Amino acid sequence: DVKVTQSSRYLVKRTGEKVFLECVQDMDHENMFWYRQDPGLGLRLIYFSYDVKMKEKGDIPEGYSVSREKKERFSLILESASTNQTSMYLCASSPQHRGGYGYTFGSGTRLTVV
Amino acid sequence: GQQLNQSPQSMFIQEGEDVSMNCTSSSIFNTWLWYKQDPGEGPVLLIALYKAGELTSNGRLTAQFGITRKDSFLNISASIPSDVGIYFCAGQLASGSRLTFGEGTQLTVNP
Repeated sequence: DVKVTQSSRYLVKRTGEKVFLECVQDMDHENMFWYRQDPGLGLRLIYFSYDVKMKEKGDIPEGYSVSREKKERFSLILESASTNQTSMYLCASSPQHRGGYGYTFGSGTRLTVV
Repeated sequence: GQQLNQSPQSMFIQEGEDVSMNCTSSSIFNTWLWYKQDPGEGPVLLIALYKAGELTSNGRLTAQFGITRKDSFLNISASIPSDVGIYFCAGQLASGSRLTFGEGTQLTVNP
């Protein structure tokens, strides 16, 4: 069963901590994405990557960075966590040319920053 | 970035009722998609639409791609308790390009 796996379902971190959210896909997809989900705001794109070592800013990149050293792994980094980064984080992947209907999402990481 | 306006934000219905939700955009999209997110899970694709005016069904779900390319709707007929979840619309300009998501519609179905 092909899937996108996010390393943690729930995380609690302190303000100022450096936080790593990990995402791994086993479908050999080129594209990977990080979204955050907040009630009433839908899914907002933080960063995405079309290939290893490549990254592009999404709509809300401030306070975040990403790393893609291997094709299957895309990491989201909160350099100094703040309470306004408390949210649900969703990772997704897709094949290079299959666009939206090829998106596969992980189950999400619910991050609480205290 | 582009904005998708999805309505209603939430719906509370009785089992067996029909449901309708829609999405509008200030910009044109060439693909419209509808996703469902079950509680505690990531979104899963329900229906994809590729042509203006296209009407597509998937079981009790029917979705349409608006003629202007700036809107889409999703209907669910004869709702059942497992229809509970958050429904998202998404638009895409070109194959391989990023998706823009709506704000979501939270659906509650009372048995």
